[in-house]
Amino acid sequence: GDSVTQMEGPVTLSEEAFLTINCTYTATGYPSLFWYVQYPGEGLQLLLKATKADDKGSNKGFEATYRKETTSFHLEKGSVQVSDSAVYFCALIRGGKTSYDKVIFGPGTSLSVIP
Amino acid sequence: EPEVTQTPSHQVTQMGQEVILRCVPISNHLYFYWYRQILGQKVEFLVSFYNNEISEKSEIFDDQFSVERPDGSNFTLKIRSTKLEDSAMYFCASGLRSYNEQFFGPGTRLTVL
Repeated sequence: GDSVTQMEGPVTLSEEAFLTINCTYTATGYPSLFWYVQYPGEGLQLLLKATKADDKGSNKGFEATYRKETTSFHLEKGSVQVSDSAVYFCALIRGGKTSYDKVIFGPGTSLSVIP
Repeated sequence: EPEVTQTPSHQVTQMGQEVILRCVPISNHLYFYWYRQILGQKVEFLVSFYNNEISEKSEIFDDQFSVERPDGSNFTLKIRSTKLEDSAMYFCASGLRSYNEQFFGPGTRLTVL
């Protein structure tokens, strides 16, 4: 079945460091890909999305490129801040006229940014 | 900016009791969902709802669970007889179109004692 795999956390970085969180997926058809973020004590917020191969989603300095050849959607940010400390979830929705459109989440990667 | 809201933020109940979790989706959205996240685990799909009926449900969503859209704004999840293992964060989500991004509420933390 469809699935999403993320790098294991927790990840601890110093402020202004470069961030990469790896994400790979398994899905039939042409899924849409998402990154959601969950700040401490809060719900899930959509961070960025990409709906087709080679699309780049970006928001708040974060970027991710939909790579169909490697089935990946890695999240990157050039310079992290303490306020980026959160849990990041890679996710997909299967594309096409299938019977369901549930979001399939990866396990989440916890990021802590220290001053 | 419109957002999905959920009440209560935290619900504590005794095993065997019924609970109703409430959600107000974004007003022009047509697709509604419930997910849950057991502490430290993945966010899991429970059920999707469109046009006043369930369009899909997971194996978690057994006969103890039901959903309803009692009026034009609310979307509820009922657990008829709670079990200890129902303790989790429950997220409501809504979407304007299928196969597109879903917007999540802040969640209801359910604790079953």
